[in-house]
Amino acid sequence: DAKTTQPPSMDCAEGRAANLPCNHSTISGNEYVYWYRQIHSQGPQYIIHGLKNNETNEMASLIITEDRKSSTLILPHATLRDTAVYYCIVRVANLGNQFYFGTGTSLTVIP
Amino acid sequence: GAGVSQSPSNKVTEKGKDVELRCDPISGHTALYWYRQSLGQGLEFLIYFQGNSAPDKSGLPSDRFSAERTGGSVSTLTIQRTQQEDSAVYLCASSLNFPGILRDDTQYFGPGTRLTVL
Repeated sequence: DAKTTQPPSMDCAEGRAANLPCNHSTISGNEYVYWYRQIHSQGPQYIIHGLKNNETNEMASLIITEDRKSSTLILPHATLRDTAVYYCIVRVANLGNQFYFGTGTSLTVIP
Repeated sequence: GAGVSQSPSNKVTEKGKDVELRCDPISGHTALYWYRQSLGQGLEFLIYFQGNSAPDKSGLPSDRFSAERTGGSVSTLTIQRTQQEDSAVYLCASSLNFPGILRDDTQYFGPGTRLTVL
């Protein structure tokens, strides 16, 4: 699986959009981009995933660049409960293999 | 609907004892995964089941670790002769994944079992 690079930490003001970047310059054509987050002392929580097109769900939006070498997770209106470590993962879907979580970005939402 | 559940939520044991950790995946999910997470660290993959079979056991740290899955549902991770370095949160995940069929195999995680070996 391709490796990802994320900033170790970010701050965001409550109510503002949180934009979390991820670089995956060695991504292959059949690898998906997944985002998970882990709130302290809980198991990782699935957020969103995509292949080529931008995706949106009730939690977040995922913007993937045209060359697919980077992506951005957008939390449109960050709340204090969004404080967590956010992981960007790339992998081939449907191989039933593991996720490589890396170290992620620690997002702190500030009141 | 019900998510992945794990038991116990916390386990404290003495060095040298055996422990069993249980995972109940989401109903209908064919794939099941075990990870562990040491304090302040990322997730470490341990083992993966497709149905009752474990095609990839390469992540198990030693022969003291074993896992089984019965009936394509519940899985048990067993650690024999526990050591202090086994202390971690053990996480289980499941996915709908059917091999050979292009479907979403997003993994959904349980809350984990915090194991402390004294």
